[in-house]
Amino acid sequence: EAGVTQFPSHSVIEKGQTVTLRCDPISGHDNLYWYRRVMGKEIKFLLHFVKESKQDESGMPNNRFLAERTGGTYSTLKVQPAELEDSGVYFCASRFGTGGTDTQYFGPGTRLTVL
Amino acid sequence: LAKTTQPISMDSYEGQEVNITCSHNNIATNDYITWYQQFPSQGPRFIIQGYKTKVTNEVASLFIPADRKSSTLSLPRVSLSDTAVYYCLVGDMHRGAGNMLTFGGGTRLMVKP
Repeated sequence: EAGVTQFPSHSVIEKGQTVTLRCDPISGHDNLYWYRRVMGKEIKFLLHFVKESKQDESGMPNNRFLAERTGGTYSTLKVQPAELEDSGVYFCASRFGTGGTDTQYFGPGTRLTVL
Repeated sequence: LAKTTQPISMDSYEGQEVNITCSHNNIATNDYITWYQQFPSQGPRFIIQGYKTKVTNEVASLFIPADRKSSTLSLPRVSLSDTAVYYCLVGDMHRGAGNMLTFGGGTRLMVKP
């Protein structure tokens, strides 16, 4: 079974540009999460999708960040315009979520560098 | 959300047993204790999860005392490939709870030859 995949693995952009990160969850996982770790900080939650709906977006830092999950499959996270402080590693995770104590499976992350 | 405290770093040698203790004094009744492992340039990977007493799988054991205010991850006979950051997380893992994971600083384990 394929794991969570993320694209690109690295992205280097200039301040003010736009970047779109993509996450493909494990097939059949309704729950999709975005996290990020900025330099020297802990991994922080950004938002949670259940299928195509945003369940919790309390961690989104500001309105420059837009996450979508059209059709309830893959998700994109757009940063527009990017700022220097957005540099970090963005992780996506997915979870099956039909009950019990389901765990989250993480992708390898996208390293974003804003110059 | 319950806050966790764990050592910043630990050193060990190949073949030794490693125990990493995590404090979570404010753990709630519905909270589970979950440990993740993270290698450089990879996302966190689930290791083990428990609610009380002891849980064991092919990778590790998790010991949780009766008051559940702490937990200990035990890695038997570590190898160099166990060098990683280990995160202790506490949260409600049941369906409908959202399951947002709250990461602390983790424990950086260095296994030496």
